[in-house]
Amino acid sequence: TQLLEQSPQFLSIQEGENLTVYCNSSSVFSSLQWYRQEPGEGPVLLVTVVTGGEVKKLKRLTFQFGDARKDSSLHITAAQPGDTGLYLCAGIKGNEKLTFGTGTRLTIIP
Amino acid sequence: NAGVTQTPKFRILKIGQSMTLQCTQDMNHNYMYWYRQDPGMGLKLIYYSVGAGITDKGEVPNGYNVSRSTTEDFPLRLELAAPSQTSVYFCASSYMGQGYEQYFGPGTRLTVT
Repeated sequence: TQLLEQSPQFLSIQEGENLTVYCNSSSVFSSLQWYRQEPGEGPVLLVTVVTGGEVKKLKRLTFQFGDARKDSSLHITAAQPGDTGLYLCAGIKGNEKLTFGTGTRLTIIP
Repeated sequence: NAGVTQTPKFRILKIGQSMTLQCTQDMNHNYMYWYRQDPGMGLKLIYYSVGAGITDKGEVPNGYNVSRSTTEDFPLRLELAAPSQTSVYFCASSYMGQGYEQYFGPGTRLTVT
């Protein structure tokens, strides 16, 4: 059973467009992380959210943690080719292990 | 500061062979992890360690073994390789526990035929 479901699984859009990807669960998480992974490399942490309703911005990327701490979204404004990659969410509950979602593979077409 | 390094980058094994995937970090992190990444399946935790001499099983430990004799090194041993172990393996480390930022190595792509 996959605790964290990400959607869409694949997304291909034109440069300059906006997009949102989602990370959903039926479980409550104490914190949630977003990573970006480029081909041939390991994931790199983008942000950690810990409070229900929290919004964090990283340049053109906006991350939101759901009020009930069961879901999160990543919104990218004016996407650029450098945003291309696999986006992974990962949640942790209490003292349990970090659980990764299945990922959203994003391609930005110049 | 090299971060987390892994060797080899690629390896092909025959069924039944054994090998060790090496992982070293130079950030003096206490926590280290081994994950496998299968297509469309995200990252699954194989083993982790909270410090030298202490290791514990993750979600998918069968067919693997680890040791942690030093803070820096966390090798992953595959005994009797099977096609189901074909995957990309990532080592990671963090200063504190799993709720903190994990730093990943570049991965080892393993094929078992």
